[in-house]
Amino acid sequence: GNSVTQMEGPVTLSEEAFLTINCTYTATGYPSLFWYVQYPGEGLQLLLKATKADDKGSNKGFEATYRKETTSFHLEKGSVQVSDSAVYFCALLKTNTGNQFYFGTGTSLTVIP
Amino acid sequence: DTEVTQTPKHLVMGMTNKKSLKCEQHMGHRAMYWYKQKAKKPPELMFVYSYEKLSINESVPSRFSPECPNSSLLNLHLHALQPEDSALYLCASSREGQNNQPQHFGDGTRLSIL
Repeated sequence: GNSVTQMEGPVTLSEEAFLTINCTYTATGYPSLFWYVQYPGEGLQLLLKATKADDKGSNKGFEATYRKETTSFHLEKGSVQVSDSAVYFCALLKTNTGNQFYFGTGTSLTVIP
Repeated sequence: DTEVTQTPKHLVMGMTNKKSLKCEQHMGHRAMYWYKQKAKKPPELMFVYSYEKLSINESVPSRFSPECPNSSLLNLHLHALQPEDSALYLCASSREGQNNQPQHFGDGTRLSIL
């Protein structure tokens, strides 16, 4: 079946540190992959996406590359800020299941000054 | 600011009350979704509407009753809820019939059952 596995949190980093949040997926065919971010008290916001192998999604300094050979979509940022503190969800979309998203468990990130 | 608007933002209700959650979007999206999210967990899909018709019901108890009166509105009617139903309820929408389209989420209604 379809599933997403994310690294366990919480993650605590100092400001300007390098961030990696690992995400791997299981799916048949060619799913689309997404990263969403959820700030406290808010809904989920789309951070970036990639729709085919070797695509790189990027936004606000965050990047993730769709690696079909390793079934991975790891999120990276070169220099985190306090304002990046949030929960990050990796998600997979299979349109042949009615546009159903499969979310990872989420990774909580805290950036300290 | 989000393009999916949910009301109310907070709701406290007793187990015998009847209330409704509302969701509205004006992006022309024809797929709309209800999710339930517990603290420190990912969203769990409850219902999917496609072109105003219910297409997925993830075995949700009948005390939750969805309704899609038109292409811009999605309601969730609540009756006889249990304390374990306390959670953040998220609405989302997306383009239907096109691959690879992300879902756009509202900020949610935080529901507390007394």
